[in-house]
Amino acid sequence: DVKVTQSSRYLVKRTGEKVFLECVQDMDHENMFWYRQDPGLGLRLIYFSYDVKMKEKGDIPEGYSVSREKKERFSLILESASTNQTSMYLCASSLSGVSEAFFGQGTRLTVV
Amino acid sequence: SQQGEEDPQALSIQEGENATMNCSYKTSINNLQWYRQNSGRGLVHLILIRSNEREKHSGRLRVTLDTSKKSSSLLITASRAADTASYFCARNFGNEKLTFGTGTRLTIIP
Repeated sequence: DVKVTQSSRYLVKRTGEKVFLECVQDMDHENMFWYRQDPGLGLRLIYFSYDVKMKEKGDIPEGYSVSREKKERFSLILESASTNQTSMYLCASSLSGVSEAFFGQGTRLTVV
Repeated sequence: SQQGEEDPQALSIQEGENATMNCSYKTSINNLQWYRQNSGRGLVHLILIRSNEREKHSGRLRVTLDTSKKSSSLLITASRAADTASYFCARNFGNEKLTFGTGTRLTIIP
């Protein structure tokens, strides 16, 4: 059974903290994505990666960075968390741009 | 924006009725995908339709694509309570990105 696993289901962090959200996939997929989901705004792409050590900005990269040192792992980093980064974060992977994406269960991050 | 629109934003129907939701886009696509999200969870892929296809079926789901109108629709027939969820379309423009919209919240009334 294919799987995308996000390290935390719920997370509470303080303003200014450095936050790491981890995502691991076991399908040997080339592409990995980080989205955030907010009410009324749908899913917005933060960053994606199409190969190890490769990354591309999505639509809303400001305040975030990513790391992909190994094919199966894609990390989202909030360098200095702010309250407007409180959101649901969704990780996904796909074999290619023309194939379906598989999603993790999501991490609900609250920044206080 | 390349995203386009999804409508309606919310839809409530009686169990057993059919549900139709729509997705539009602004620039040419390579494929369009539909996903379902149960409350507070990750998304699950339903159907992928390529730009050279006009219709696809999967069980009670039927997806159409009209490239001349730059729109797609998802039809769920004989709805069930378990179909209550949010439905999203995702547009692939020929690169590695998938661009999602704001989704349609579907409620099935028993």
